[in-house]
Amino acid sequence: NAGVMQNPRHLVRRRGQEARLRCSPVKGHSHVYWYRQLPEEGLKFMVYLQKENIIDESGMPKERFSAEFPKEGPSILRIQQVVRGDSAAYFCASSPPLGQGNTDTQYFGPGTRLTVL
Amino acid sequence: GESVGLHLPTLSVQEGDNSIINCAYSNSASDYFIWYKQESGKGPQFIIDIRSNMDKRQGQRVTVLLNKTVKHLSLQIAATQPGDSAVYFCAENSPPNDYKLSFGAGTTVTVRA
Repeated sequence: NAGVMQNPRHLVRRRGQEARLRCSPVKGHSHVYWYRQLPEEGLKFMVYLQKENIIDESGMPKERFSAEFPKEGPSILRIQQVVRGDSAAYFCASSPPLGQGNTDTQYFGPGTRLTVL
Repeated sequence: GESVGLHLPTLSVQEGDNSIINCAYSNSASDYFIWYKQESGKGPQFIIDIRSNMDKRQGQRVTVLLNKTVKHLSLQIAATQPGDSAVYFCAENSPPNDYKLSFGAGTTVTVRA
């Protein structure tokens, strides 16, 4: 009964490099969400995806950040040309499709802690 | 803007006592609320949820109370144990974007042995 999987758990990048964060939702879940958490703060919504579709990316910075959830494989959050301010914990959550449980309840992965040097 | 917030940032409780964690929200349209527990270095773990058509919901050792009149939410933990030490977040969503959870800042609960 695997939950949401994220990798890597820790990622260190130098300024200007690219960061790729991966998320595999709970088996059977078709909705994926990405959140960012700064130290001692709550989580902030970034983007909501369904398979091959971005539903809402209103919480994601317009530049350098992108997300995808392909038909096959994990969801990817990509940050290009990282800056120190991107250092944070990035959490992925998933929820089941309509008709298969409470679609409002989001189950979170362990997160990826990104450190930009 | 709308916000979800907690009354106290930290709570110290004696093992075996009951804990009460409070949360205020400002969006009167919020209709779904969740409490999450986050241990150090881990992701938020679902504890209990409640919809706006309910005032109270109970789980195993936990109870969530919702007062829509004053827009207040609380989490009660009975017989607090050392394993309950964590940061607790309330989160809510509201239509039409009911997939977008808004989180409070979190209350750090420390259980004294």
